Amino acid sequence: DAGITQSPRYKITETGRQVTLMCHQTWSHSYMFWYRQDLGHGLRLIYYSAAADITDKGEVPDGYVVSRSKTENFPLTLESATRSQTSVYFCASSVWGRLNTEAFFGQGTRLTVV
Amino acid sequence: GENVEQHPSTLSVQEGDSAVIKCTYSDSASNYFPWYKQELGKRPQLIIDIRSNVGEKKDQRIAVTLNKTAKHFSLHITETQPEDSAVYFCAAIKSGDDKIIFGKGTRLHILP
Repeated sequence: DAGITQSPRYKITETGRQVTLMCHQTWSHSYMFWYRQDLGHGLRLIYYSAAADITDKGEVPDGYVVSRSKTENFPLTLESATRSQTSVYFCASSVWGRLNTEAFFGQGTRLTVV
Repeated sequence: GENVEQHPSTLSVQEGDSAVIKCTYSDSASNYFPWYKQELGKRPQLIIDIRSNVGEKKDQRIAVTLNKTAKHFSLHITETQPEDSAVYFCAAIKSGDDKIIFGKGTRLHILP
């Protein structure tokens, strides 16, 4: 789906470095989410946003920062990357709200911290 | 907040047989129950969902059943095919929730 894209697709970074994962959607969906996927843990919610300038913590927010200055963008920043943050990261968007509708996922970013 | 338990974590079935994946939830106010499928190396995608005002919903070979009293819901796949091999995730959400918390997933293997 061209409507939600993540960049980069693959990233290798060193411990202690700052890295930003980008997420862009073209549907003007109000809700956006960041998940990490690890074997044995499924999809765990890191942060989510109900609208521009509104963000909130999910299940595993420590070590991550998000911002949402524009509806279409929801970048995720690892302030000081650690090996435990090696994972596949998925961004998703939805009209959500009271409709509780489908969430559309980006293609994922595989991040390796060495 | 809502807690969703999903079982089994891994399931192997012979091609052509049926597969059942079960989820239980803790918040009786939950009223929306989606199922996502993730093929290897791909993104999760919604395959079916059910709301609390119905007990069952079907879409070709897949169906979802909901038991509100017992607080559990299940995904049923009949006449399984190789392309059904994937990881399946459930979620339980109530109106007003701003987020989706998924179960830990079930890896389904279809054996030839």
